[in-house]
Amino acid sequence: AQSVAQPEDQVNVAEGNPLTVKCTYSVSGNPYLFWYVQYPNRGLQFLLKYITGDNLVKGSYGFEAEFNKSQTSFHLKKPSALVSDSALYFCAVRDNGGFKTIFGAGTRLFVKA
Amino acid sequence: EAGVVQSPRYKIIEKKQPVAFWCNPISGHNTLYWYRQNLGQGPELLIRYENEEAVDDSQLPKDRFSAERLKGVDSTLKIQPAELGDSAVYLCASSPGADRGLFFGSGTQLSVL
Repeated sequence: AQSVAQPEDQVNVAEGNPLTVKCTYSVSGNPYLFWYVQYPNRGLQFLLKYITGDNLVKGSYGFEAEFNKSQTSFHLKKPSALVSDSALYFCAVRDNGGFKTIFGAGTRLFVKA
Repeated sequence: EAGVVQSPRYKIIEKKQPVAFWCNPISGHNTLYWYRQNLGQGPELLIRYENEEAVDDSQLPKDRFSAERLKGVDSTLKIQPAELGDSAVYLCASSPGADRGLFFGSGTQLSVL
């Protein structure tokens, strides 16, 4: 069965510093991996995806994520955090045999000015 | 392109009352999902449609929940009767393909009193 773990409920970082939001997954076969962001009182927005190819993928708003197959991880990163990045971030996985997308519990990111 | 449209945005009902949510996916997206999101948690899949066929409804509490997607476009999710524990945000999403992300609507926030 598919599963996604986001080990940190909350990540705090100062503006201008690099940020990392962690995600590990379990899925049979090759995974499709996604990150979504949810701002207060708004729906989830797609940030980026990994399907195949380069392990480092780039997405919206300057975010990137690194796929590590041996560690079954897909950590979200940004070189320089902004206060406006403060939001709830969800990692998601889909097995490449189907369309079922499973979400992690989410990590709340606080960026302090 | 127009996004996923959901209505109503908010709904407050008393327990044991029925309630229905409506979703209009992005044109051309054959896959439609209904998720439930409890406060501070990740979305949990309730049901997935491929065109008008429900291909994954294993997480749908069928004693009180029902869904339909007539003509493979709009979808309705119904709860009858509602219970206090059904209070959550109900999210609709659509997708154009397995290697693409999900496009979410703004959700319906249900409060059962």
